Amino acid sequence: GQQLNQSPQSMFIQEGEDVSMNCTSSSIFNTWLWYKQDPGEGPVLLIALYKAGELTSNGRLTAQFGITRKDSFLNISASIPSDVGIYFCAGQLIPSTGNQFYFGTGTSLTVIP
Amino acid sequence: EAGVAQSPRYKIIEKRQSVAFWCNPISGHATLYWYQQILGQGPKLLIQFQNNGVVDDSQLPKDRFSAERLKGVDSTLKIQPAKLEDSAVYLCASSLSRPNEQFFGPGTRLTVL
Repeated sequence: GQQLNQSPQSMFIQEGEDVSMNCTSSSIFNTWLWYKQDPGEGPVLLIALYKAGELTSNGRLTAQFGITRKDSFLNISASIPSDVGIYFCAGQLIPSTGNQFYFGTGTSLTVIP
Repeated sequence: EAGVAQSPRYKIIEKRQSVAFWCNPISGHATLYWYQQILGQGPKLLIQFQNNGVVDDSQLPKDRFSAERLKGVDSTLKIQPAKLEDSAVYLCASSLSRPNEQFFGPGTRLTVL
């Protein structure tokens, strides 16, 4: 299957700090998604990106679809304790059958009050 | 609106035993997905249904895994016989039309001893 590399693998930050994480692939994707997963729960969609270069915000979250179509970035501004969780990127390939998405390995975020 | 329901939430079995998971998608969602999430990894798609037909099962280990979605609503995923490496969280997701906007259930955590 496809490999999506997420970095960093884990982050420990102080409340109020900004966070940046990214996702890269050797393949070209036509859609990038960012999910957050809390312990014992399923992933929840945060942001969806559909065009190269697209920059989309959702509250304190901002994500960008890389120009090369091989990467995406997620930024969280002014982090708060409830931002704790694992963040996954997911991409849909070009070409694609069955609209299959590939998930990254996740970035674990810990926010220290 | 009720979310995706899954049961059981937890299951512990011995290797070579059989197990089945159940999923009830969001009402009206035509597309249903089963994912396997091994600890420390992102979800991996096992099978995708469109109504009661299989769209993609390329990553389903068909020698031991099977899934069905009779009547195009509820779905069951079965493992027979289970192996130690099947220990994981099994996530069900559904989507209305756009495949990008998948809503996940809480998952079933399977432990194979």
